[in-house]
Amino acid sequence: DTGVSQDPRHKITKRGQNVTFRCDPISEHNRLYWYRQTLGQGPEFLTYFQNEAQLEKSRLLSDRFSAERPKGSFSTLEIQRTEQGDSAMYLCASTSGTAAFFGQGTRLTVV
Amino acid sequence: GQNIDQPTEMTATEGAIVQINCTYQTSGFNGLFWYQQHAGEAPTFLSYNVLDGLEEKGRFSSFLSRSKGYSYLLLKELQMKDSASYLCATFGNQGGKLIFGQGTELSVKP
Repeated sequence: DTGVSQDPRHKITKRGQNVTFRCDPISEHNRLYWYRQTLGQGPEFLTYFQNEAQLEKSRLLSDRFSAERPKGSFSTLEIQRTEQGDSAMYLCASTSGTAAFFGQGTRLTVV
Repeated sequence: GQNIDQPTEMTATEGAIVQINCTYQTSGFNGLFWYQQHAGEAPTFLSYNVLDGLEEKGRFSSFLSRSKGYSYLLLKELQMKDSASYLCATFGNQGGKLIFGQGTELSVKP
C-alpha cells in the first residue's frame, strides 16, 4: 500500500495523559499536513511541513500540541496533558502540489 | 486572509443532477480541490482545478472561475452512495497552507 498511513487508528486516553500519533506520507510527497476534525465540521488546519521544515502552525494550536518531521519523511503529532476538548479525528495529508491525499485518520477519545 | 463558503446541506433525488457551490477568498490562488467524505471516514480526493473552466471525470465535474472566486461540483445520475459531505479546499498564501470549507452534507433520497 503506497497511500498515506496513520497510526494508531483509534486512541482512548485519560485526561492529562500525553499521546503521540504517527503519519507516513506518500514517499515522493514533500508537503505534509495535520488537521483536526470534529463532527459536522470541515478539517481544521493545525500545521504543515515542507520536507523537514515546519512552515506554519495554526494560532488555534495551544502549546500542548507539537509536531515534527525529523527527516522529511514520517511525521509525529504529540498532544501533552490531553483535555476532553481534544477528542476529535486527527487527519494527516500529503501532497506534491496538484493532489492532496489523506490517511485514514486517528480518532482520539479523551475520557 | 482566506475564507471559503459552501452551503451546509443539500438534498437531491436519486438519478437527478446536483450542483454544490463554493466561493473562496484568498490573497494568492494556487488551485481548488474537491473532496468527498463519508461519515466516519477520511476525505477522498475528487478533483483539482487550477485553470478556469470545466473538468469532467465520469459522473463528477468541477468548474472554476478565478475572476469570480467561484467553483462548483456537479454530480450527475445521483446514486444513494453519493450521500456524503463534499469539501471544497484551496491553497492559501504562497501556495502552502491548504484550507477547507465546512463541507456540504448531501442527502440523496430515493
